[in-house]
Amino acid sequence: DAGVIQSPRHEVTEMGQEVTLRCKPISGHDYLFWYRQTMMRGLELLIYFNNNVPIDDSGMPEDRFSAKMPNASFSTLKIQPSEPRDSAVYFCASSRDSYNSPLHFGNGTRLTVT
Amino acid sequence: AQSVAQPEDQVNVAEGNPLTVKCTYSVSGNPYLFWYVQYPNRGLQFLLKYITGDNLVKGSYGFEAEFNKSQTSFHLKKPSALVSDSALYFCAVRVNTNAGKSTFGDGTTLTVKP
Repeated sequence: DAGVIQSPRHEVTEMGQEVTLRCKPISGHDYLFWYRQTMMRGLELLIYFNNNVPIDDSGMPEDRFSAKMPNASFSTLKIQPSEPRDSAVYFCASSRDSYNSPLHFGNGTRLTVT
Repeated sequence: AQSVAQPEDQVNVAEGNPLTVKCTYSVSGNPYLFWYVQYPNRGLQFLLKYITGDNLVKGSYGFEAEFNKSQTSFHLKKPSALVSDSALYFCAVRVNTNAGKSTFGDGTTLTVKP
């Protein structure tokens, strides 16, 4: 089991550019979560999916953020246009389809918007 | 609604001493409680969970946690701390009445001094 795989590990971009973060969950996991971590706000849930369907996107900051899960093995989080305040570490996590299952996190994408 | 509180931003202990990291929760329904650890530049890693049964659960690296329903608490403990336990610790809750949503506390930084 390779774990949750996120790419890229680091992303540096200029304000106004489009950024796409990618995630491959663990095979067989039915839940996928996107979190953002900053020193100021801690760990924030942005959106999560169950069986590729978005369940709760109330944490998505604004319309500049969008997430998709076209199939069970791939998800993207897109920011367009990016702003300096979007700088953070973005984590993807997956879990089995059971409320007593822990989340398995990727190692994150560190995004810096200049 | 569900929420998790970690009242201490930082916990400092000497190596060899017992440690406790506190967590309280608020949910509607039966809680499934988790502890995670995060090392620098890494994603969160699962330590242990409480589902049902014995109120004292044991997990990885010698950690254990005590579930107290009346106090709605789930404190993380270890009898003898190691310097290598220094990290950021998160408490989290999932509830079977909220579509699998996983809510995290703000995290507690544990520093173990030699």
